[in-house]
Amino acid sequence: EAGVAQSPRYKIIEKRQSVAFWCNPISGHATLYWYQQILGQGPKLLIQFQNNGVVDDSQLPKDRFSAERLKGVDSTLKIQPAKLEDSAVYLCASSPLAGPRDTQYFGPGTRLTVL
Amino acid sequence: SQQGEEDPQALSIQEGENATMNCSYKTSINNLQWYRQNSGRGLVHLILIRSNEREKHSGRLRVTLDTSKKSSSLLITASRAADTASYFCATDENTGFQKLVFGTGTRLLVSP
Repeated sequence: EAGVAQSPRYKIIEKRQSVAFWCNPISGHATLYWYQQILGQGPKLLIQFQNNGVVDDSQLPKDRFSAERLKGVDSTLKIQPAKLEDSAVYLCASSPLAGPRDTQYFGPGTRLTVL
Repeated sequence: SQQGEEDPQALSIQEGENATMNCSYKTSINNLQWYRQNSGRGLVHLILIRSNEREKHSGRLRVTLDTSKKSSSLLITASRAADTASYFCATDENTGFQKLVFGTGTRLLVSP
């Protein structure tokens, strides 16, 4: 079974530029998550989709971050414009069930550096 | 926000020794999970313990949960150099959908 795929693995941009990350979850997984992990901290949930609907985006800075999951499969996360404090690893995860509690399967992450 | 706080923040041991990490959380939960993260990689699920369970084993891993104290511990027995990683607890809060809230993590270094 293929794992969660993310691209790019690394990205360096200057502040005020835009950037987009892509995630392809495990086939058949209904729920998709985007996390932000700042160096030295645990992951923080940014947004959660079930199929192509948003379940939770309470911690997504909506003035600059946006995310979509078209057709309920892969997803993109965009930052526009980026700030220095957005430097972090952006992790995508998926899980097969949203109701009964289950584990999440993480991708390798995209390391973003904002200069 | 991060619910869990882990203790210690960093742990350095020799191969063959046991490693114990603790996690404290704040709200009621459905389950608590432990994940491992190797440097520069994504997280890997290790073990899940439900709120009505007190102890669970998986290979060299032993997890305990005390809901009255809102705390959990992860014990890795007979550690190996390959166990070197960061370990995070994550609580599944008591809401309609699964939502994991991660702790701050413990960095474990196992020296040969």
